Amino acid sequence: GAGVSQSPSNKVTEKGKDVELRCDPISGHTALYWYRQSLGQGLEFLIYFQGNSAPDKSGLPSDRFSAERTGGSVSTLTIQRTQQEDSAVYLCASSNRLAGRGDTQYFGPGTRLTVL
Amino acid sequence: AQKITQTQPGMFVQEKEAVTLDCTYDTSDPSYGLFWYKQPSSGEMIFLIYQGSYDQQNATEGRYSLNFQKARKSANLVISASQLGDSAMYFCAMREASNTGGFKTIFGAGTRLFVKA
Repeated sequence: GAGVSQSPSNKVTEKGKDVELRCDPISGHTALYWYRQSLGQGLEFLIYFQGNSAPDKSGLPSDRFSAERTGGSVSTLTIQRTQQEDSAVYLCASSNRLAGRGDTQYFGPGTRLTVL
Repeated sequence: AQKITQTQPGMFVQEKEAVTLDCTYDTSDPSYGLFWYKQPSSGEMIFLIYQGSYDQQNATEGRYSLNFQKARKSANLVISASQLGDSAMYFCAMREASNTGGFKTIFGAGTRLFVKA
């Protein structure tokens, strides 16, 4: 079946502009994660949605970052007033914790954000 | 303090040999999960193997096995019979309870594996 999809695949923006990154999880997956991966680095957790529960926003680096998940499916990560240090690959992952394999996460291809 | 530690930034292995990638973790949650992911140069993250904290046996998935030593808090990945296509970045990750009532997954810094022909 279809995997996690993300759009756009690449985004170049100017410092100070707002950007929106989209994630379509695997159908039926109840959990959705956003991560950030800077060049040559590991993954930095940003935010986690589980079903209808309040999201875990503990990883968001500043109040310029926000995310929402509409209808328990598609999620949008918004970065306001982008800064050059926001340049990174933003990865989305989804999981079905009902599957009995722990919280195995399946990742999308990522959005490469470049802030000039 | 680091929750997930991967001490080998880079590793070389000869094709067809086995290689062990180290991972140690730190958690006070009695119920946790440990994962390994592979990230080739193309950038996608590929799930390899999972070990639950209460699992009695080490997890295996084809050429991948997880050497789980709970008392030492280590979860090393063993790749047997290395192939050129195994050259990639490998991330160890841990799922534990979040202080907001859900769960969070923490990733290590990764180990870059180079397989030599």
